[in-house]
Amino acid sequence: DAKTTQPNSMESNEEEPVHLPCNHSTISGTDYIHWYRQLPSQGPEYVIHGLTSNVNNRMASLAIAEDRKSSTLILHRATLRDAAVYYCILRGTNFGNEKLTFGTGTRLTIIP
Amino acid sequence: GAGVSQTPSNKVTEKGKYVELRCDPISGHTALYWYRQSLGQGPEFLIYFQGTGAADDSGLPNDRFFAVRPEGSVSTLKIQRTERGDSAVYLCASSLWGISENSPLHFGNGTRLTVT
Repeated sequence: DAKTTQPNSMESNEEEPVHLPCNHSTISGTDYIHWYRQLPSQGPEYVIHGLTSNVNNRMASLAIAEDRKSSTLILHRATLRDAAVYYCILRGTNFGNEKLTFGTGTRLTIIP
Repeated sequence: GAGVSQTPSNKVTEKGKYVELRCDPISGHTALYWYRQSLGQGPEFLIYFQGTGAADDSGLPNDRFFAVRPEGSVSTLKIQRTERGDSAVYLCASSLWGISENSPLHFGNGTRLTVT
């Protein structure tokens, strides 16, 4: 499985934007970049995914580098409820290759 | 609507006993996944069902672990002769389709298994 590299932890002030980086230098052409987050005592929650173009949804934005070897999850205005572990995952699209393989993620702390 | 439901939420068992963990996926979801998560780690893949069949069971650690999904809906993860190292949170997820990139996984809140 193609691997991703994320910082172990980050801090951000409440109501400020947060940029969570992810490196995936061995990404293949058919791998999608997925982000999930896990709040304390809950299962992971889907945040966003993309292939080549930048993506926006109600939760966040995903900025993908032109060479696709890195991406950044952007929370535009962090709240205390955004404190969680954020996982950047590469997901294939071939049968048998589409399972999500989680790393240890980035633990995001929001400072009031 | 109802999300993925896992029961029980907590299970304490003695070493050597047999346990069953149940997962009720979102209605209509064809794919179902089992993961387990140890403290401080990300979820670790165990098995994936597409319909009734196990499409990928490469993550099951040994033959003490077995999972079924007989009618393509509810799934049960079965662990025989439990060991203390099996203690973890067992997570279930479902998705509308397995191979489509537009099928995010929806996770339950897990079953916390403690083997004493």
